[in-house]
Amino acid sequence: AQSVAQPEDQVNVAEGNPLTVKCTYSVSGNPYLFWYVQYPNRGLQFLLKYITGDNLVKGSYGFEAEFNKSQTSFHLKKPSALVSDSALYFCAVRDVYQKVTFGTGTKLQVIP
Amino acid sequence: KAGVTQTPRYLIKTRGQQVTLSCSPISGHRSVSWYQQTPGQGLQFLFEYFSETQRNKGNFPGRFSGRQFSNSRSEMNVSTLELGDSALYLCASSPSGADTQYFGPGTRLTVL
Repeated sequence: AQSVAQPEDQVNVAEGNPLTVKCTYSVSGNPYLFWYVQYPNRGLQFLLKYITGDNLVKGSYGFEAEFNKSQTSFHLKKPSALVSDSALYFCAVRDVYQKVTFGTGTKLQVIP
Repeated sequence: KAGVTQTPRYLIKTRGQQVTLSCSPISGHRSVSWYQQTPGQGLQFLFEYFSETQRNKGNFPGRFSGRQFSNSRSEMNVSTLELGDSALYLCASSPSGADTQYFGPGTRLTVL
């Protein structure tokens, strides 16, 4: 069965510093990987996805993610954090049967 | 295009009652998925419908059921409500299920 792990419940980073939110996955076949963000009392919003091609994927709001097949990781990164980036971030993987599995989420707190 | 809409936004029910939640996908999207979000369990997949057929199902009891209509609108029903069913129920649509999901704002269900 496929799975997604987000090992950190919360990540704290100072405004202006680079941020990383970690994600590792397990899936049969080629992975389709996604990152979503959730602001309080809102649904999830799509940030970026990896289907194939370049290992570095660029997405919305200056976020990017690096796909590493050997480490089965898909970490979310941003060079310079903003206070407005504070939110809940979810990593997800889709299998060949179109079933999507989400990680447990990581709360990002950007400190002014 | 209008986004994914969910009605109602808030519901309060008592144990033993049943509830029906509604989701209208983005126009042209044929896949609709439902998720349960709770602080302790994160985002749990309930089921996915595509062209009026249930294509995938998560590990929830039979009290949770759904359906999809010919216009792709979907409903989710929970019978014999339990306190543990209190959660945010999210609906997501995508053109085929094999790509990015777009989420609605969710229905907040409280079971007393």
